[in-house]
Amino acid sequence: SQTIHQWPATLVQPVGSPLSLECTVEGTSNPNLYWYRQAAGRGLQLLFYSVGIGQISSEVPQNLSASRPQDRQFILSSKKLLLSDSGFYLCAWSGTANSPLHFGNGTRLTVT
Amino acid sequence: QKEVEQDPGPLSVPEGAIVSLNCTYSNSAFQYFMWYRQYSRKGPELLMYTYSSGNKEDGRFTAQVDKSSKYISLFIRDSQPSDSATYLCAMSEGGSYIPTFGRGTSLIVHP
Repeated sequence: SQTIHQWPATLVQPVGSPLSLECTVEGTSNPNLYWYRQAAGRGLQLLFYSVGIGQISSEVPQNLSASRPQDRQFILSSKKLLLSDSGFYLCAWSGTANSPLHFGNGTRLTVT
Repeated sequence: QKEVEQDPGPLSVPEGAIVSLNCTYSNSAFQYFMWYRQYSRKGPELLMYTYSSGNKEDGRFTAQVDKSSKYISLFIRDSQPSDSATYLCAMSEGGSYIPTFGRGTSLIVHP
C-alpha cells in the first residue's frame, strides 16, 4: 500500500532563516505531488504541484520554492522566511488525473 | 462567489445523532466529488470518493451528489465523539489534477 511521509511535524524558525520541508511517497511510482498551506479559517491554499520530475507548477507567487529531485520526493524551500510564512504545510500525492489526493500529517511552521 | 461553499460551523450534535454535512458549488463541470475528515493538527484523510450523481455508502457514512442542484452531502449515522473533526468537501473537473476544496465544517459530537 502507498504511504506518505512528511517531516518535521513541528518547526520553529526565526525570521530570515532558510527552510526545507521534505515529503516522500512509498508504494507508487510517478505520483502527482502537491504542497498546500492551511491557515485557520482560510481553507487549503495550493502552493505547488508536480506531475513529474522537472515539472513543477507554482500557484501562488511568494517567498517559497519547490523541487522534485527524485520521483517520489518533493521538497518545499525558502531562502529567507517571513513572519507571514507561518502556517500548517501539507504534502499530498495522487495517481492519475481525477484520482483523490492523499495527505501527509503536515508540518506546523512557526516563524518568530 | 466562491466555487465551493461550505458552512464552517461549528455543528454540535449529541452522540447517536444523524449528521448532515453539505457543500454547494457553482461549476457545472465538476464530475468527481470527495469528502475528507481532518482531526486537529493532522492532515486530511479521504473518507469518500464519488463520480457524477448518486449515492455511495461506506459503513456509517453516505455520500450523496445532486448535480442538478449543484449540491453534495455527507451523512454520518450513529455519530460518535470520535467523529468530532473538520470535514472538507472537494471536487474536480474531468481530466483535472487539481481539486477545489471547501473550507471545511467543524463537527462536534458530544457524549
